[in-house]
Amino acid sequence: GQNIDQPTEMTATEGAIVQINCTYQTSGFNGLFWYQQHAGEAPTFLSYNVLDGLEEKGRFSSFLSRSKGYSYLLLKELQMKDSASYLCAVADSNYQLIWGAGTKLIIKP
Amino acid sequence: ETGVTQTPRHLVMGMTNKKSLKCEQHLGHNAMYWYKQSAKKPLELMFVYNFKEQTENNSVPSRFSPECPNSSHLFLHLHTLQPEDSALYLCASSQETSGSYEQFFGPGTRLTVL
Repeated sequence: GQNIDQPTEMTATEGAIVQINCTYQTSGFNGLFWYQQHAGEAPTFLSYNVLDGLEEKGRFSSFLSRSKGYSYLLLKELQMKDSASYLCAVADSNYQLIWGAGTKLIIKP
Repeated sequence: ETGVTQTPRHLVMGMTNKKSLKCEQHLGHNAMYWYKQSAKKPLELMFVYNFKEQTENNSVPSRFSPECPNSSHLFLHLHTLQPEDSALYLCASSQETSGSYEQFFGPGTRLTVL
């Protein structure tokens, strides 16, 4: 079957760095997405990785290793507004997105 | 209006009611999706429409009936729902021909079935 695993919840301190991991097993791979979802709001796109390596976008970076079926989202200089759920999703061989259950990130002052 | 809009934002209905959820996208996309989001569970893809044609129906019970009259509008008709159908229903759209599979989401409808 197809499976996306990510931690249920993480806690970090304002100003610090946090890494959210995602491992996947899917039938085919056409890219991996990270989305941010604040409580009661729509998921919003953060990043897309289809080749191995690190993609940096401001305070957020996303890494992919296709051979290991592994990705992480790195958030630097954490701000209170970064408190949200972070969703990992993989596009399978049919380009359908397979979603993880999301990681709830709690930022403490 | 910009992006993807959904109405209503909140809906409470009894098991014998009939209601409809509406989604509209203002992005010129050619694909639209319905997802169900329950607490602490992955997003569940329900239906996919490409160029108004339904291309995916992930074993969704017949009490959920989608309708896509054009590439900008998507409806989800609900009838004789069960309490376990209570969830956040998200609509999304994407431009499938661009090579990008990024999906743009609406704010969702919070559905409670009594």
